[in-house]
Amino acid sequence: DIVMTQSPDSLAVSLGERATINCKSSQTVLYTSNNKNYLAWYQQKPGQPPKLLIYWASIRESGVPDRFNGSGSGTDFTLTISSLQAEDVAVYYCQQYYSTPWTFGQGTRVEIK
Amino acid sequence: QVQLQQSGPGLVKPSQTLSLTCAISGDSVSSNSAAWNWIRQSPSRGLEWLGRTYYRSKWYSDYAVSVKGRITINPDTSKNQFSLQLNSVTPEDTAVYYCAISRDGSRQYFQYWGQGTLVTVSS
Repeated sequence: DIVMTQSPDSLAVSLGERATINCKSSQTVLYTSNNKNYLAWYQQKPGQPPKLLIYWASIRESGVPDRFNGSGSGTDFTLTISSLQAEDVAVYYCQQYYSTPWTFGQGTRVEIK
Repeated sequence: QVQLQQSGPGLVKPSQTLSLTCAISGDSVSSNSAAWNWIRQSPSRGLEWLGRTYYRSKWYSDYAVSVKGRITINPDTSKNQFSLQLNSVTPEDTAVYYCAISRDGSRQYFQYWGQGTLVTVSS
């Protein structure tokens, strides 16, 4: 199984400041034949299911604000919230869909400083 | 937009069978471009994909090794829904269970989710 490891486990950021979350996979999730990274990011608020934010490592899902950006390739990925808003307080997860079983990171909690 | 509505009991006794259903609106369980997944979430195991069913001229299912042998995911075309059965449950199966849709081919990220069902395994 591909193990997904996120860092940090939690972070506190001031409103309007940048939040950066890292995700590392135990093996590559880059499919060289199409040059796509099989990596998604989700946001989960208390009492709600995860919400898809980003897929193919950097493509924003429809309706997701452009302050959310995904980057990276191979085994190292980053989710950046460029200007943290109060409604961004949540737990964020990465997920690989390169090979089954599809696996998730352990989550990163984002709070307001 | 696809909507998924989950139903099923929140309490199951050890050694019994956990059964949940996910009703689909806005898409068809028989779609050739979707897969229908079950995922669970617990403090000890995090988010864990359990398995999926999908139709590509015939029905397929595949399951995580961690639950293989205990799990069945079945479509119900007459009601446009799909179900999860997990046999011989133990307290370690206590979790919030979600259904979710992924798309065809390589697009195996989860675009829409059900609301979640907390299932507690306890006598």
